[in-house]
Amino acid sequence: QSVLTQPPSASGTPGHRVTISCSGSSSNIGSKTVTWYQQVPGTAPKLLIYSNDQRPSGVPDRFSGSKSGTSASLAISGLQSEDEANYFCAAWDDSLNGRVFGGGTKLTVL
Amino acid sequence: QIQLMESGGGVVQPGRSLRLSCAASGFTFENYAMHWVRQAPGKGLEWVTVISYNGSNKYYADSVKGRFAISRDNSKNTLYLQMNSLRAEDTALYYCATWNDSGFDSWGQGTLVTVSS
Repeated sequence: QSVLTQPPSASGTPGHRVTISCSGSSSNIGSKTVTWYQQVPGTAPKLLIYSNDQRPSGVPDRFSGSKSGTSASLAISGLQSEDEANYFCAAWDDSLNGRVFGGGTKLTVL
Repeated sequence: QIQLMESGGGVVQPGRSLRLSCAASGFTFENYAMHWVRQAPGKGLEWVTVISYNGSNKYYADSVKGRFAISRDNSKNTLYLQMNSLRAEDTALYYCATWNDSGFDSWGQGTLVTVSS
């Protein structure tokens, strides 16, 4: 059971927009910044979003992040087949003194 | 470029020990906290442990507390994970990783640990 809660799956058609939610608590998302990763099976996680809504260089602006209270969201617009992957949210947890991850959301591009 | 390379994984019997290493290059290793994160086959990511830049502070997930020990040698740019009393549920791909709040984020390719009799 992951500390951060994500839907196990999401789907969308090419060109459309999909959002993935991540729910936590006051000891993690409520007081710390959120990070989002993309992971293609068999590869290491790749940073998509840091500090709630910041994109590293090289990440397309189709990817955006937001946070409100104890929840965060990742939005992917203009969906492409190459976006098919697993997406994880993460945040530091002050109660656990460790980083916590969401269980991951498998995105399928129909 | 930044590189993290894990080694030391393998097949080990329950109750035995294993030591993982992570060789870092391409950045100033001694300035960064370092983490181990694991991923069981077909499962999500689980943070395991962190060590501060100078080794003075260490934190562990409850699932490994008292069994695993993280350490580092800044003169060798190397991170370690000593794993004792291994259990079947420790079977996973172990990544070393580093990140900060400014978008610096790097992961190795992982080393596989299989605990089985």
